Parts: sequence; C-alpha cells; structure tokens
Amino acid sequence: EDQVTQSPEALRLQEGESSSLNCSYTVSGLRGLFWYRQDPGKGPEFLFTLYSAGEEKEKERLKATLTKKESFLHITAPKPEDSATYLCAVSANQAGTALIFGKGTTLSVSS
Amino acid sequence: GAGVSQSPRYKVAKRGQDVALRCDPISGHVSLFWYQQALGQGPEFLTYFQNEAQLDKSGLPSDRFFAERPEGSVSTLKIQRTQQEDSAVYLCASGLAGITDTQYFGPGTRLTVL
Repeated sequence: EDQVTQSPEALRLQEGESSSLNCSYTVSGLRGLFWYRQDPGKGPEFLFTLYSAGEEKEKERLKATLTKKESFLHITAPKPEDSATYLCAVSANQAGTALIFGKGTTLSVSS
Repeated sequence: GAGVSQSPRYKVAKRGQDVALRCDPISGHVSLFWYQQALGQGPEFLTYFQNEAQLDKSGLPSDRFFAERPEGSVSTLKIQRTQQEDSAVYLCASGLAGITDTQYFGPGTRLTVL
C-alpha cells in the first residue's frame, strides 16, 4: 500500500535554529514529490516539486532534497513567520491521479 | 494573479440536509481535484476532472457525494443527506495540464454537520 510518513509530528525551534523535516515514502513508481505549507484556516501553498533522487530545490530559507526513500525539508535560520504545517505529498503510478499526503509537521518558531 | 477560489468558506448544515460547495479554478487550468481534510490530517483525494470529464472518482466515500464540472471550469461538489462524519474541510485544487503537474489549492470550505 502506498504510504507517506512525516516526522516529527511537531517541532519547536528558536529563531535562527536550523533543522530538518523528514518525509519517508513507500510507493510504486514515484512520479513526483511535492512540499506544501499550510497556515491555519488556509489551503496548502505550493513550495517545491522534486522528480528524481538527488534533486534539490531552494527557496529563501528552505531547501528540499530527495532520495529513493525519503525527502528532507531543511530550514536554515528560521524566523517566526516560518511557523506553519508543512505537508509532503507524492504522485505515484499505482495511485492513479491522487496525491497521497502525509499528516504534516507543525513547525513553531519562537523569537 | 487570481488563485483558486472556493465558496462558501464556511457551511453549517443539519444532519440530513444537502449541501453544494463551489470551486473556481485558476483560469486556463485543465485539471481540477477535490480533497477532504479532517482535523490534524493531510488532505485525502476525492475526485479528479480533466476539463469537463470526471476521470477518477475513486476517493468519493459514498454515493451521497457527487461532483460535476459541466463546462470545464467551475466545479461543484454536492453532498446529499449530510452525516456528522462528513464534517471536514473540502479543498479544491487546479493544475495546468497533466496529473503530475503542480496542484494549486484554494482556501477550502469548512463544513460542519450538526
């Protein structure tokens, strides 16, 4: 069964304290891995798409990487405005048209 | 530019009532998806349209759920005879073309069934 697991469930950081969020997946035929940010009461906001192992993408303080089994979202010197829930999702051949989402990691950054 | 919009943003229904949730995708986007998000969970797929054709409805939880996109733009998700377990946020997403393209989400409709 296709599965996406995110860890940790919650993460509390001090401003400037860098860390990483993990997304591990077990799917048949990965077509793409997506990272989204979701603020309370809002829909997911697109961050990155990764298609193949070894690929990396960066945007401001965020960097996403992909291996054959997992993806990491690295947050460098976070600020309070980075506080949100970060969702990982995969598109896979066996899953048809659906994106399969993890439960998310809720990040809190305090000043 | 204009993103995906959804209405209403909040809906309270009494058990047994029918509800209709609307999604306006990004102009020119061929693909349209509906997801259901329970509290503290990631979104779960409900159905997919390519233009006006509903190509995948494997995620619809029961025959009380029905979606349409008659002219290939605006879509409506209808839930008949609502039950308490239908309470959730219903998210709509649109994409430029194929199923591997990035999906852009709307703000969601929070449905509460009393």
